[in-house]
Amino acid sequence: DAKTTQPNSMESNEEEPVHLPCNHSTISGTDYIHWYRQLPSQGPEYVIHGLTSNVNNRMASLAIAEDRKSSTLILHRATLRDAAVYYCILRDYTDKLIFGTGTRLQVFP
Amino acid sequence: GAVVSQHPSWVICKSGTSVKIECRSLDFQATTMFWYRQFPKQSLMLMATSNEGSKATYEQGVEKDKFLINHASLTLSTLTVTSAHPEDSSFYICSARAGGWGNQPQHFGDGTRLSIL
Repeated sequence: DAKTTQPNSMESNEEEPVHLPCNHSTISGTDYIHWYRQLPSQGPEYVIHGLTSNVNNRMASLAIAEDRKSSTLILHRATLRDAAVYYCILRDYTDKLIFGTGTRLQVFP
Repeated sequence: GAVVSQHPSWVICKSGTSVKIECRSLDFQATTMFWYRQFPKQSLMLMATSNEGSKATYEQGVEKDKFLINHASLTLSTLTVTSAHPEDSSFYICSARAGGWGNQPQHFGDGTRLSIL
């Protein structure tokens, strides 16, 4: 399985932007880059996904490097409700989501 | 948006009991559903892929006779933990996909916390 590397934890202050990095140097041409987040005691929640171009939605933005070997999830203004574990996952032709350890984001008031 | 409902939210039962967990896609049809297990302070581990009308595909190391999966309709998959023991205590989560692979997100249920005494 293609793998991703994320920092174990990051911190942010409320209302500040947050940039969550993800490295995926072994990505193949057909792998989609998916981001999910998980709040305590809940199932994961879909955040955003992309293939080659940068993507924006109401929750976040996804910036994908030109060589696709890394990507960055951008939360434009962090809120306390954004505190969660964020998972960057490569989704291949098998359609499986293989979760790594993710980045635990702490948001301080 | 797409909603996946999981039931029950939590269950406590005695060792040796079989427990059934339901996963429903409420507003879309799901030909494929996935089952995960998560132990405390760990990440999600994919257990199996559930395909409507056919046998589930289990990940390496997951006992198919222990974790029975049935996907009898396009909106319902069930996971039965047979003869559960304390080591089976975990957080079980299902997900379902609407639409084609890769370019569609998976939608997750809120999980079932299983405690075996």
